[in-house]
Parts: sequence; C-alpha cells; structure tokens
Amino acid sequence: DTGVSQNPRHKITKRGQNVTFRCDPISEHNRLYWYRQTLGQGPEFLTYFQNEAQLEKSRLLSDRFSAERPKGSFSTLEIQRTEQGDSAMYLCASSLTGKVEKLFFGSGTQLSVL
Amino acid sequence: SQQGEEDPQALSIQEGENATMNCSYKTSINNLQWYRQNSGRGLVHLILIRSNEREKHSGRLRVTLDTSKKSSSLLITASRAADTASYFCATDPSNTGKLIFGQGTTLQVKP
Repeated sequence: DTGVSQNPRHKITKRGQNVTFRCDPISEHNRLYWYRQTLGQGPEFLTYFQNEAQLEKSRLLSDRFSAERPKGSFSTLEIQRTEQGDSAMYLCASSLTGKVEKLFFGSGTQLSVL
Repeated sequence: SQQGEEDPQALSIQEGENATMNCSYKTSINNLQWYRQNSGRGLVHLILIRSNEREKHSGRLRVTLDTSKKSSSLLITASRAADTASYFCATDPSNTGKLIFGQGTTLQVKP
C-alpha cells in the first residue's frame, strides 16, 4: 500500500494522559499536513511541514499539541494532558510541494478522551 | 476558523437520480476543490476547478463555479449506492495546501 498511513486507527484514553499519533506519508511527498475533524464538521487545518521544517501552525494548536517530522519522512502528533474537547478524528495528508492542489489523506486516528 | 457553507446538510435520493450539492465561500480563491469522505475514513480528492473556469466535468461529476457569487455546485449524475458518503468543498487561499473546508453534505443513495 503506497498511500498515507496513520496509526493507530483508534485511541481511547483518559483525561490527563498523553497520546501520540503517527503518520507515514506517500514516500516521495515532501509536504505533510495535520487536520482535525469533529463529528459533523469539515476538517480544520492544524499544521504542516515542508520536509522536516514546520512551516505553519494554526491557532487551534495549543501548547499541549506538538508535531514533529524529524527526518522529513514520517510525522508524529503528540497531545499532552488530554482533555475531553480533544476528542476528534486526526487526519494526516501529504502532497508534493509543486502539487498542493491535490492532497492525499490517510484514514485518520479517532481519539476518544474519557 | 471554518468558512463557507454547504447546502443541503443532508440529501437522500434513490439510485439512478442526480444529486446536487452547493457550496459557498468567503475569501478570494485560486481554485476550489471537492473531496469525498466515506464514513470513518479519510478524504479523497474528486475534482478541482480553477477560478477562471466556470464548469468542469469528470466522469459522472460536474462542477460549476460562480466567483461573482462565491459559490460552487457539485452534480453527481446517475447516482449509485456506492456514492453514499459526505462531500466537502475546500478552498486554499494561500495555495499552500492549507485547506479551508465547508461543513459538508451527507449524501445517502438508496438502492
């Protein structure tokens, strides 16, 4: 499978715990994006990377959120001290720099904070 | 913050009928994209229409764009049960892949 891969598919955690999600983009894609989607809504942009550089972060990304892409390949999104309001689907997407008009999305990680 | 609205929020039709979904947006655009999302899955890019285009076709999909009204429509002709999904329009004002999505239209096609 050469698509965007996200792990885990589902995560249930207790409030206050830390969680980490992983995204493996399409191998030749140097752009990687994170979005968050709550039930019944469209996805909202969180952050994106060009290779290993994080180029932009949304105001939605509080200090409890951190994303990395250390070698310009896979990326991780960590949420510290989770809150019930963090419950959502976290989507990763990738593209080539010159072809940002078409993003390729993974299947997402569904986070439930109890 | 999210911008734009989609109309209707939900649509239920019989197989073989056409489905039309509308989208409005607020900013100036270079292009407008439509994505499809099956329940609990990621999004799949369907079609892109540029700001200087008024209509575009791809298979059973027809997209129109009216920049004076800041609106777009997606028509799916001869719908199939497999078309059941949520459909989102998205704009990218900064042309960076930082997409701004509408709230989506949930389409149910009954066999």
